Amino acid sequence: AQSVAQPEDQVNVAEGNPLTVKCTYSVSGNPYLFWYVQYPNRGLQFLLKYITGDNLVKGSYGFEAEFNKSQTSFHLKKPSALVSDSALYFCAVRDRDDYKLSFGAGTTVTVRA
Amino acid sequence: ETGVTQTPRHLVMGMTNKKSLKCEQHLGHNAMYWYKQSAKKPLELMFVYSLEERVENNSVPSRFSPECPNSSHLFLHLHTLQPEDSALYLCASSESWTGGYEQYFGPGTRLTVT
Repeated sequence: AQSVAQPEDQVNVAEGNPLTVKCTYSVSGNPYLFWYVQYPNRGLQFLLKYITGDNLVKGSYGFEAEFNKSQTSFHLKKPSALVSDSALYFCAVRDRDDYKLSFGAGTTVTVRA
Repeated sequence: ETGVTQTPRHLVMGMTNKKSLKCEQHLGHNAMYWYKQSAKKPLELMFVYSLEERVENNSVPSRFSPECPNSSHLFLHLHTLQPEDSALYLCASSESWTGGYEQYFGPGTRLTVT
């Protein structure tokens, strides 16, 4: 069985401040990990993924995430948030021996000017 | 745009109606998916197709009937739906249903069942 937890329903930050969105996962084997973002009335957009190799993954729009196997975490980060980063963020995990992608419930990010 | 289109974008239907949702991907991918997104809940995988063959039917009620005539098109046929089926229905595609490939999502169809 696999699952994803996003412990914060909402994250509020001021523009220019660092942004962190937390994600922890549970899989029986080795994971593939993904972050997606959803803007109002839109589908999900792929941001970045961890497959193998370097634990620090860089993605679109200045986002990055760090895979931490011992803590089973894959937190999303951005050094300096923009108002346009305000959206709903989803973490997702897939066991390498499975095909099903499991999503977290999502974290709403609000960046105030 | 992600290369995945969905029509219609909005649909209101009564419980006795029959309607269909359409998805088309222009990415040359081999796998396509239907998801249901309800407020405050994780995305629910409904169906997976790989090269037009259904890989997974994730315990979805028979009032939802998928069809994949080719690797670029996916339909979701709806009949005798319930009000609790109101949700955003998302289509996605990926290069393969195995491996570490990311999925690309369409904008969704907002379905309201009255």
